[in-house]
Amino acid sequence: GEDVEQSLFLSVREGDSSVINCTYTDSSSTYLYWYKQEPGAGLQLLTYIFSNMDMKQDQRLTVLLNKKDKHLSLRIADTQTGDSAIYFCAESSRYSSASKIIFGSGTRLSIRP
Amino acid sequence: GAVVSQHPSWVICKSGTSVKIECRSLDFQATTMFWYRQFPKQSLMLMATSNEGSKATYEQGVEKDKFLINHASLTLSTLTVTSAHPEDSSFYICSANDRDNSPLHFGNGTRLTVT
Repeated sequence: GEDVEQSLFLSVREGDSSVINCTYTDSSSTYLYWYKQEPGAGLQLLTYIFSNMDMKQDQRLTVLLNKKDKHLSLRIADTQTGDSAIYFCAESSRYSSASKIIFGSGTRLSIRP
Repeated sequence: GAVVSQHPSWVICKSGTSVKIECRSLDFQATTMFWYRQFPKQSLMLMATSNEGSKATYEQGVEKDKFLINHASLTLSTLTVTSAHPEDSSFYICSANDRDNSPLHFGNGTRLTVT
């Protein structure tokens, strides 16, 4: 079945860039998402990209998609302490309903001074 | 943007009691809402799809009689955990999208603790 994988932890120094990587298996993926979850809170949609795009930039966030390798990344420029959270990669396919959005296990981003 | 509100944020109840969690779409109508469960340090697990005016669709392994879902209007879905037990303690999150194939927007979640 479909699978989304990401590393569990990432630690970066404040002010550096953070790059969170994700791989997926569904070749029919249409939408790929990045959600942020702060402690005790729900998920906040950070950004998403359509499968026919290679890159999307929104302020400090840059999403890169390598469809051939089924690899998605999220780059956070000038990482701040407020960026500490769990980041979930997710994908959905045009061949399934929105309920079949598949989440990765989440990457816990920690910021060190 | 689309806002999903969930209430309560946290609840503590005794074993054997039932707890109702509400999920509202504040500025859009949602014919479909989704309920997820999240265990500590794990990803989200889809429990069921709530359909306005019809029965919910449950994922395999989720007990329908245990987790009652009611989607009475286009802006409100409720999840009732019936006869709660400590193993039901978890973080429950709802989501909805404001149109087909648009990204899901999530509520802030409800932390349920059953003592």
